[in-house]
Amino acid sequence: EPEVTQTPSHQVTQMGQEVILRCVPISNHLYFYWYRQILGQKVEFLVSFYNNEISEKSEIFDDQFSVERPDGSNFTLKIRSTKLEDSAMYFCASSEARGAYGYTFGSGTRLTVV
Amino acid sequence: GDSVTQMEGPVTLSEEAFLTINCTYTATGYPSLFWYVQYPGEGLQLLLKATKADDKGSNKGFEATYRKETTSFHLEKGSVQVSDSAVYFCALTTIYNQGGKLIFGQGTELSVKP
Repeated sequence: EPEVTQTPSHQVTQMGQEVILRCVPISNHLYFYWYRQILGQKVEFLVSFYNNEISEKSEIFDDQFSVERPDGSNFTLKIRSTKLEDSAMYFCASSEARGAYGYTFGSGTRLTVV
Repeated sequence: GDSVTQMEGPVTLSEEAFLTINCTYTATGYPSLFWYVQYPGEGLQLLLKATKADDKGSNKGFEATYRKETTSFHLEKGSVQVSDSAVYFCALTTIYNQGGKLIFGQGTELSVKP
């Protein structure tokens, strides 16, 4: 079964540093998403991406965050100048069509900011 | 705004017990409703879905019925197994979510004891 692959599985970074979280969506999917889950809290939408541009972003997704699809396969989330409160599990997802009818999530990257 | 509310966890059951996890929602228009499951150390997996009122989603012995009159989508299973131990998330999306984002409940942890 096709999978969404996320790397690394766990990243530790110092406060103020930049991190890039990587995702390889399913190859024929067109819509891409990032979500985050702070420990013990609900899963929150960050951003959706289609046709090489952001479709929608949440209030969380401020200027500190950016997304990119640098080639035909990778989808990245960059967090500039990380803060302690950015520590969370970050999930990438992809879907073939708009909407959640066929969402596939990756297994997540646990980001720890120290 | 759109939101999902789930019953508080953790829920602890003995093997073969009956499971109900309550989920209610508030949404503009007619949402599609989902249950996702997160096994320890893994990502989010779609468990079942329902896209219109009175639809029943089912998978792996789990069921949930889309009840428009009570704005609910409760998850049920007649006989749980130890392997069902996981966190369960209720979620929705609507056509008004232009990017196709999912809105999640806070998750309910289920622990099944032998």
